[in-house]
Amino acid sequence: ILNVEQSPQSLHVQEGDSTNFTCSFPSSNFYALHWYRWETAKSPEALFVMTLNGDEKKKGRISATLNTKEGYSYLYIKGSQPEDSATYLCAFASGGSYIPTFGRGTSLIVHP
Amino acid sequence: ETGVTQSPTHLIKTRGQQVTLRCSSQSGHNTVSWYQQALGQGPQFIFQYYREEENGRGNFPPRFSGLQFPNYSSELNVNALELDDSALYLCASSLEIATDTQYFGPGTRLTVL
Repeated sequence: ILNVEQSPQSLHVQEGDSTNFTCSFPSSNFYALHWYRWETAKSPEALFVMTLNGDEKKKGRISATLNTKEGYSYLYIKGSQPEDSATYLCAFASGGSYIPTFGRGTSLIVHP
Repeated sequence: ETGVTQSPTHLIKTRGQQVTLRCSSQSGHNTVSWYQQALGQGPQFIFQYYREEENGRGNFPPRFSGLQFPNYSSELNVNALELDDSALYLCASSLEIATDTQYFGPGTRLTVL
């Protein structure tokens, strides 16, 4: 069973704050790392698929980095807005199964 | 816009019954995956179908079964429902395999009484 951990479990920030969360995964047999944003009452929405060590991806104010050697990825949100309030999920796929294993997510609430 | 739909939205069943959940993938997506999300957990992988063949299975008993059809629709069937099967069931479609972006449906909330 692959262990994918996300921290913190929840986060409350003020509008305008920048924030970041962590996804930890096994450092061996890496294949891909996915980030999703899941707003309440909506479908999970793909943010990034990362496949190479050192990858950095950016989408608007959201960016992500990947370190496959040490088994972690950071998701950064610059200047948080209330509409960024959501649960952020990461999913790790190993080279053995190619099947994504999800973490429990980080719940972000941005207060106006 | 993901284009992935699921039906029904909500469902209530009693223990021992059988249930079929449905998913309509995006056109052209050859892979569909099904996940179970229990309260407080991340989505747990149930199984994946690629071009109508099961292509991987998570740690779920055989009473969880599925089908994928040529028209990009799929089904998740659960027999002999147990209380612990109460969860949100998500389907996700993708072009091919794990490196491809998965497009999720809104889920079906199943309650087993």
